[in-house]
Amino acid sequence: DAKTTQPPSMDCAEGRAANLPCNHSTISGNEYVYWYRQIHSQGPQYIIHGLKNNETNEMASLIITEDRKSSTLILPHATLRDTAVYYCIVRVAGQGNAGNMLTFGGGTRLMVKP
Amino acid sequence: DAGVTQSPTHLIKTRGQHVTLRCSPISGHKSVSWYQQVLGQGPQFIFQYYEKEERGRGNFPDRFSARQFPNYSSELNVNALLLGDSALYLCASSLGGVYSPLHFGNGTRLTVT
Repeated sequence: DAKTTQPPSMDCAEGRAANLPCNHSTISGNEYVYWYRQIHSQGPQYIIHGLKNNETNEMASLIITEDRKSSTLILPHATLRDTAVYYCIVRVAGQGNAGNMLTFGGGTRLMVKP
Repeated sequence: DAGVTQSPTHLIKTRGQHVTLRCSPISGHKSVSWYQQVLGQGPQFIFQYYEKEERGRGNFPDRFSARQFPNYSSELNVNALLLGDSALYLCASSLGGVYSPLHFGNGTRLTVT
């Protein structure tokens, strides 16, 4: 699996956009970038994933650089409930149905402040 | 729709004992994975099952075992518990495709004394 690097912590003001960076310089051509978050005392929550195009859903936007060596997760209007640890993961391209091994790093602890 | 459900939510065991943790996947999901999360760290992969067959195994000792039932629910068993097995045990389910997102339950908090 490609290794990811994230800042250990970030702060964001409530109502502002939160931009969380991730470096994955060794990513392979068939590996996707996934983002999960974990709110205290809960299981990780899937946010979004992408291969090379920018993606957007109701939770966030994912911007992947053209060389795919880095990406940014954008929460457009952060709220206090977005305070969590955010994990950037490169998904191993398993064969058949053996692709569920996610390698979690330390993640970024995002603190949204009033 | 109900999400991934795990039972029990909390458990206290003594060293040397055995424990069984249970997981019910989201309806329609055929793949179940288990992760261990030690306090302060990210989750670590233990097992994946798809259609009742083991499809992946992480770097855990043979004291850890699992199985998946015909209704796709799953059990994680840990024998001869050690203090270091104290952790949050997370179950995740997915449709089973290579890039299907995993959906996690809220875990079972195991404390070994």
